[in-house]
Amino acid sequence: GQQLNQSPQSMFIQEGEDVSMNCTSSSIFNTWLWYKQDPGEGPVLLIALYKAGELTSNGRLTAQFGITRKDSFLNISASIPSDVGIYFCAGQAPGVEYGNKLVFGAGTILRVKS
Amino acid sequence: DAGVTQSPTHLIKTRGQQVTLRCSPISGHKSVSWYQQVLGQGPQFIFQYYEKEERGRGNFPDRFSARQFPNYSSELNVNALLLGDSALYLCASSLVGTQRGYTFGSGTRLTVV
Repeated sequence: GQQLNQSPQSMFIQEGEDVSMNCTSSSIFNTWLWYKQDPGEGPVLLIALYKAGELTSNGRLTAQFGITRKDSFLNISASIPSDVGIYFCAGQAPGVEYGNKLVFGAGTILRVKS
Repeated sequence: DAGVTQSPTHLIKTRGQQVTLRCSPISGHKSVSWYQQVLGQGPQFIFQYYEKEERGRGNFPDRFSARQFPNYSSELNVNALLLGDSALYLCASSLVGTQRGYTFGSGTRLTVV
């Protein structure tokens, strides 16, 4: 089945540093999504990407949809303590008529030192 | 506007029992999907429902079933619970016909003992 390889597994960074994480797949996707999940909560959508090559920003977050449609990255600039959490990439494969069947990566745990 | 609401928030069941989890989508969202998230992993797709019909099913055994009601709310049922069914069960609603609007609820934490 489809799998997403998300890296790194975890990061422990200094407040103010930039962060980068990425996802790769052996299959192509027509949508890439990045979510953040806090303890005891469901994933919250951060950025959605719908076209190969698309670069989208949301405040200090920037994400790109890879040209090959098999990868995506998420950058966080000038990290702050509230950025801690688990970040997930998710992809939607072509041919999913009704949408919403997402394949998730295993997550990147972000810890920030203040 | 209310987001996706799920009930109950926590549940403890014994092996072999049956459980029903409930989800109300965002108003106007007609598609509901269910995901299972085991501790330390990303969510895994279980089902998608749209207009009361199953539109997609993940790699889960027949012990898992779901349905969608005319008001677009949904229930997930799991029979003959196993210890391995312990997980956070997430519901997501979306607008069909657009790629936007993938919104998750806070989930139901199921513990099987």
